[in-house]
Amino acid sequence: GAGVSQSPRYKVAKRGQDVALRCDPISGHVSLFWYQQALGQGPEFLTYFQNEAQLDKSGLPSDRFFAERPEGSVSTLKIQRTQQEDSAVYLCASSGRLAGSFYEQYFGPGTRLTVT
Amino acid sequence: DAKTTQPPSMDCAEGRAANLPCNHSTISGNEYVYWYRQIHSQGPQYIIHGLKNNETNEMASLIITEDRKSSTLILPHATLRDTAVYYCIVRVADSGSRLTFGEGTQLTVNP
Repeated sequence: GAGVSQSPRYKVAKRGQDVALRCDPISGHVSLFWYQQALGQGPEFLTYFQNEAQLDKSGLPSDRFFAERPEGSVSTLKIQRTQQEDSAVYLCASSGRLAGSFYEQYFGPGTRLTVT
Repeated sequence: DAKTTQPPSMDCAEGRAANLPCNHSTISGNEYVYWYRQIHSQGPQYIIHGLKNNETNEMASLIITEDRKSSTLILPHATLRDTAVYYCIVRVADSGSRLTFGEGTQLTVNP
């Protein structure tokens, strides 16, 4: 079946603009994670959803970052008033207790955000 | 989640086995060892996981020491496409358990 998809793949924003990043998880996966990956670093956790409930948002760096998953499927990560330090790759991952799985997370290709 | 230690880089000749070590001396009894890799400009890819027994799948083998303080990921016949950053992660197997990525090991497979 289809994997995790993310859009757009690349986004250039001027400082101060708002951006919205979309994630389509694997069908049937109840868990959805967002990670931020700075250049040359490993991904860092931002937030976690179980179905539509945001159960952990401890990794969001500021109140400019907001995530939602209103129907328990597609998720959107919104960044308001973007700053240069927000430039990074934003990765989405999903997981679920499907037959044969053991909570491994499957990642999308990421959205590369560049704030100028 | 327990902290892991990996060498920053390794080289391997194409067709030979690549053995990637990982130390996780503070691993808890309910934590699993997961391996992911990230090819340049792609999202991380799940490879394999294990608790205490050795595991093998179509991609790799995972050898975990008896005391569970270290493990080795083995790619039996490395190809150029295996060039990537490899991450060793220990975590509980739970739906809400985040992945905590360290620095990983940059594996370069040479022709």
